Amino acid sequence: DQQVKQNSPSLSVQEGRISILNCDYTNSMFDYFLWYKKYPAEGPTFLISISSIKDKNEDGRFTVFLNKSAKHLSLHIVPSQPGDSAVYFCAASSLIQGAQKLVFGQGTRLTINP
Amino acid sequence: DAGVTQSPTHLIKTRGQHVTLRCSPISGHKSVSWYQQVLGQGPQFIFQYYEKEERGRGNFPDRFSARQFPNYSSELNVNALLLGDSALYLCASSTDSNQPQHFGDGTRLSIL
Repeated sequence: DQQVKQNSPSLSVQEGRISILNCDYTNSMFDYFLWYKKYPAEGPTFLISISSIKDKNEDGRFTVFLNKSAKHLSLHIVPSQPGDSAVYFCAASSLIQGAQKLVFGQGTRLTINP
Repeated sequence: DAGVTQSPTHLIKTRGQHVTLRCSPISGHKSVSWYQQVLGQGPQFIFQYYEKEERGRGNFPDRFSARQFPNYSSELNVNALLLGDSALYLCASSTDSNQPQHFGDGTRLSIL
């Protein structure tokens, strides 16, 4: 039972253009969402998060959008740079008895072409 | 500032053995979580500890156990290793349960 899904295993974008990564979830109890970037042989690096009380959060080139009715979130990267090439994971959580248990999607491999 | 550090980076074990993985959180972080990542999938939650108390446990068998020490470092123990335990084990720390978790580079465990 995949509660968090990233349906695109890979995405290729030209340098300077916008990259849009998508994520869907099924559990309506999720109230906190995060995006992580992962390079080979490194752990996931936190990028940006959003609480369910918001529908948008920006941090520099990264913007996360949350559509609660559709149970969908997306990460926009503008402009895309070669260093953005990595695997991106979305994660969702709800606080259950004080524990933040992150549920991850399968990841999307983003390749930025020069 | 030092990030989350994990040791060892790589480990090879045989079936039936046990293993202990170690994690030091970012200074000031009191919450530590453990995740298992198998190839081609996202990390899967194993445990979360806060102030030495277990706050959450994922869907893993009792062969998996963990603890957190007074200095907030943590150990993950796995007994009676199976081939399916081969994975990248990630540790993450945060200031509290409702803050973003920051990950270490993981321990790559291979079971022969």
